[in-house]
Amino acid sequence: EAGVAQSPRYKIIEKRQSVAFWCNPISGHATLYWYQQILGQGPKLLIQFQNNGVVDDSQLPKDRFSAERLKGVDSTLKIQPAKLEDSAVYLCASSKDRGLETQYFGPGTRLLVL
Amino acid sequence: AQTVTQSQPEMSVQEAETVTLSCTYDTSESDYYLFWYKQPPSRQMILVIRQEAYKQQNATENRFSVNFQKAAKSFSLKISDSQLGDAAMYFCAYRSNRGNNNDMRFGAGTRLTVKP
Repeated sequence: EAGVAQSPRYKIIEKRQSVAFWCNPISGHATLYWYQQILGQGPKLLIQFQNNGVVDDSQLPKDRFSAERLKGVDSTLKIQPAKLEDSAVYLCASSKDRGLETQYFGPGTRLLVL
Repeated sequence: AQTVTQSQPEMSVQEAETVTLSCTYDTSESDYYLFWYKQPPSRQMILVIRQEAYKQQNATENRFSVNFQKAAKSFSLKISDSQLGDAAMYFCAYRSNRGNNNDMRFGAGTRLTVKP
């Protein structure tokens, strides 16, 4: 079974530029999560999808961050415009469903904003 | 709001020895789940072990076991017979079982070094 795929693995941009990250969850997984992991901290949930609908985006900075999962499979996370404090690893995870299901994480995208 | 605290930023253990990583959490709920995740330098988070709060028996997965003290809100991870491949960041995490929200709260992590 293929794991959660993410791309790119690394991205360097200048502040005020825009950037997009892509995630392909494990096949058949209905729930998809985006986390932000700042250096030295644990991951923080940004947004959670159930199929193509948003379940929780309470911690997503909506003035600059957006995410979509149009067909209930792949997802993209966008930052526009980026700030220095957005430098972090962005992790995507998926689970079969909500509730008890284990979350499986992708390798992450390391973003550096200069 | 639920918080997870890992008071040990770094830990070190000799190969083949046993090490315990600490985790405490704060919640007013009674139904929840606790997890330990491992994050090697490659960054892919891997589930090590999980514990349902309603279960009194401590979870065990091969060399990994937990000491779950619900009243004390403590959830430590014991790694027995440590191996070089155990070197990683370890994150303790909490998730409520109330409603449909899967929001997982992570601690800041403990970096484990295994000395040969």
